[in-house]
Amino acid sequence: DIVMTQSPDSLAVSLGERATIYCNSSQSVLYTSNYKNSLGWYQQKPGQPPKLLIYWASTRESGVPDRFSGSGSGTDFTLTISSLQAEDVAIYYCQQYYNFPWAFGQGTKVEIK
Amino acid sequence: QVQLVQSGAEVKKPGASVKVSCKASGFTFNIYAIHWMRQAPGQRLEWMGRISVGNGNTKYSHKFQGRVTITRDTSARTAYMELSNLRPEDTAVYYCARFIMVPTAYSGFDYWGQGTQVTVSS
Repeated sequence: DIVMTQSPDSLAVSLGERATIYCNSSQSVLYTSNYKNSLGWYQQKPGQPPKLLIYWASTRESGVPDRFSGSGSGTDFTLTISSLQAEDVAIYYCQQYYNFPWAFGQGTKVEIK
Repeated sequence: QVQLVQSGAEVKKPGASVKVSCKASGFTFNIYAIHWMRQAPGQRLEWMGRISVGNGNTKYSHKFQGRVTITRDTSARTAYMELSNLRPEDTAVYYCARFIMVPTAYSGFDYWGQGTQVTVSS
């Protein structure tokens, strides 16, 4: 099974500053057939279901602000919030959909410093 | 508009079973899979399994193999997740979410149900 590991577990960033979250998969999630990485990022606020931010590691979901960006390939991925806003306080999860069983990282809690 | 509406909260005793429903509307049901995840308090999201609505094919997490059954009723546009032999550690919020089955249109879990609290306690 693929294990997803995020770092850090929590992160405090000043408003307007950059937040960077890392995600590592225990094996590559790169489809060689289309050279796309089967990796998504989600934002979850208390009492709500997760919200899709990024898929294929770097494609922003429709309606997601462009301050959110994803990068990486193979086993190492990054979610960047370029200028943190108050409404970005949440827990962020990466998730692989390369192999069953699909799996999520443990989450990174983003707070305001 | 696209909606996934789940059934209400459940309280069960250890050893019992629970069946949670997920009713879909606003999209072409049979080109999607419905996945089930759960989240215990303070824990990560845990993928449980999925059903391909079009052909009924299922995949399950090894962790729940033998205890979880995912079904669908295409005429009712509803998917179901049944978890048997419940234990206190199964206490969690259970979510359904859709994922398109067309490879060229893959995105992610773009719509989720609102979540169903399942509490297992004697």
